[in-house]
Amino acid sequence: EPEVTQTPSHQVTQMGQEVILRCVPISNHLYFYWYRQILGQKVEFLVSFYNNEISEKSEIFDDQFSVERPDGSNFTLKIRSTKLEDSAMYFCASSATGGNQPQHFGDGTRLSIL
Amino acid sequence: RKEVEQDPGPFNVPEGATVAFNCTYSNSASQSFFWYRQDCRKEPKLLMSVYSSGNEDGRFTAQLNRASQYISLLIRDSKLSDSATYLCVVNLSGGGADGLTFGKGTHLIIQP
Repeated sequence: EPEVTQTPSHQVTQMGQEVILRCVPISNHLYFYWYRQILGQKVEFLVSFYNNEISEKSEIFDDQFSVERPDGSNFTLKIRSTKLEDSAMYFCASSATGGNQPQHFGDGTRLSIL
Repeated sequence: RKEVEQDPGPFNVPEGATVAFNCTYSNSASQSFFWYRQDCRKEPKLLMSVYSSGNEDGRFTAQLNRASQYISLLIRDSKLSDSATYLCVVNLSGGGADGLTFGKGTHLIIQP
């Protein structure tokens, strides 16, 4: 069964440093998403991406965050200057179409900011 | 404010029993509803979509009540492997590329 893959599985970074999280969505999917889950809390939506542009973003997705689809397979999330509160599990997801179609999640990147 | 609310539990249930969870959502215009399960420190995994007419997948039955804005999940003949956190997930805005809104999850523990 096709999967969403994410790398790295764990990233440890000093506060203030830039970090890039990488995702390879399912190959025939058109909609891509990033979510985060702070330890012990619920999964929160960050951003959705379709047709090479951001479709929707949440209040969490401020100017420190950016997303990019640099080629036909990768989808990246960049945090420009990390803060302690950015420590969380970051999940990438994709769906074949938007709307009523379920989203399929990668196994996440655990980001630890020191 | 757009929200999805669930009873966090934990629900402690003996193996073989039937257990049911409910969840409520805030936006009556919501169009897409799902149940995901999440094991400790793992990604959410789709359990089933929830359709207006209700739907069943093996031991799992999901129902949607639009008038009362709640969704239910019923698990019959529960197994030890059903122990997990069950996430109620809604596309609250109903738009094409909108993000999903997650409940905090209901923690289920199946006891032998």
